[in-house]
Parts: sequence; structure tokens; C-alpha cells
Amino acid sequence: AQKITQTQPGMFVQEKEAVTLDCTYDTSDPSYGLFWYKQPSSGEMIFLIYQGSYDQQNATEGRYSLNFQKARKSANLVISASQLGDSAMYFCAMREGWRSNYQLIWGAGTKLIIKP
Amino acid sequence: EPEVTQTPSHQVTQMGQEVILRCVPISNHLYFYWYRQILGQKVEFLVSFYNNEISEKSEIFDDQFSVERPDGSNFTLKIRSTKLEDSAMYFCASSEGGSGGFQETQYFGPGTRLLVL
Repeated sequence: AQKITQTQPGMFVQEKEAVTLDCTYDTSDPSYGLFWYKQPSSGEMIFLIYQGSYDQQNATEGRYSLNFQKARKSANLVISASQLGDSAMYFCAMREGWRSNYQLIWGAGTKLIIKP
Repeated sequence: EPEVTQTPSHQVTQMGQEVILRCVPISNHLYFYWYRQILGQKVEFLVSFYNNEISEKSEIFDDQFSVERPDGSNFTLKIRSTKLEDSAMYFCASSEGGSGGFQETQYFGPGTRLLVL
């Protein structure tokens, strides 16, 4: 079974609109972290935002926020007021277990294109 | 702001040749990782490294692969005899290795794009 599922292979959004990128996860471990990374066409992997399984509040970082619904096992990324520079691949990833050096497990990604 | 660096940015090699991919993790980080991403596919974990030892490795990380921290700053991935299917983007990452546990963020380098002909 897939541990991380991103159901939107691609999305087109008008500039300045908000966009939600979906991510559902599957784990039986009570301790886990969820991460979102951005990969522009140049290829680098840029960390955006993190949500821990015990966090009571949704994470926010500037224009990025995470809609964390633990019971539904979803951790959707919300980008407010999208910009042309937001066009990129977006990956959701999870680390299971309490140790800090466990691997990240990745989703297939969503290609986001912002239209002017 | 400190960052992970990787060299070379691109490498083209012939099948069967050895390649060494180099990484300089963030200086105070203790955990190091290699991931790869075949074009158009998911990012895949290869190996994690701590205290001069492999902590965890995936099925992909077979005897053809090895990692080393030859000095206090570099972290290398060696592929002994490259195959066509090793063509991918290889990412190095590092994390602090403090008390953050599962909350620790892994910071990625810009990647090395490896093409095996």
C-alpha cells in the first residue's frame, strides 16, 4: 500500500488565487512528521513546511499553511495568493517513528502551474 | 544561510564506470542521507549515515553502492560499476541530529544529475 498519496498529478491555478495540494498518508506509528518540499524546474529540493503528529495546531510558514486532519490522515498544503514563481513540483513526504534519522517516504508529487 | 552543496551538478559516464558523487552537508549537522529521483518518478531513499556508519539503507543500496565521510566536511556516494538504470538525480541531505526526533527537517542539496550511457 502507498504510504503517501498525492492524487493530483497536475494543477493549473490563476495567479493570486489560493491553491490546495492534497496529501494523504498511511501509518500506524503514533509518532510521525509530515513535510512538504518544492522542486522547481531547476531540480533542487526546497523545504517548505513541517507538521508533527502531536502538533495541535496547523503549521504555517508565510504564504504556506498545512491543513492537518489527523483522523482523515491528510496533510494538505495551502498556498495563499499564488505567484508565478510558485510553479513547480510539490512533494509530500513522511518520516515515521521517533528517531530523527529515519528516511523520508515520498509521494509522487503534484505539478503546479500558475497562469498569469 | 548554511546550505548543502553537491558536486558535480551534472555527470555523464559510460556504463560500467565508477562514479563518485560529492556532498558537503551543513557544518553542524550529524545525519546525512542520499536519495535519488529517476526522471519523472518518486524520490527514493538510498542510505542514511551517522557517526561514520550506515544507519539505514534501502533495497536499492546494494553492493554497487558505498558511502564515505573521508574528512570532516565531505560525504560521498560511490557507484562502483554504473548501469543504465542508475541514471537519475542524486540528492544529498543533512539534518541536525539533535533532540528533534521525527520532527527534524532534512535539508537537501541541489542534486547531481547522473547520466549513464
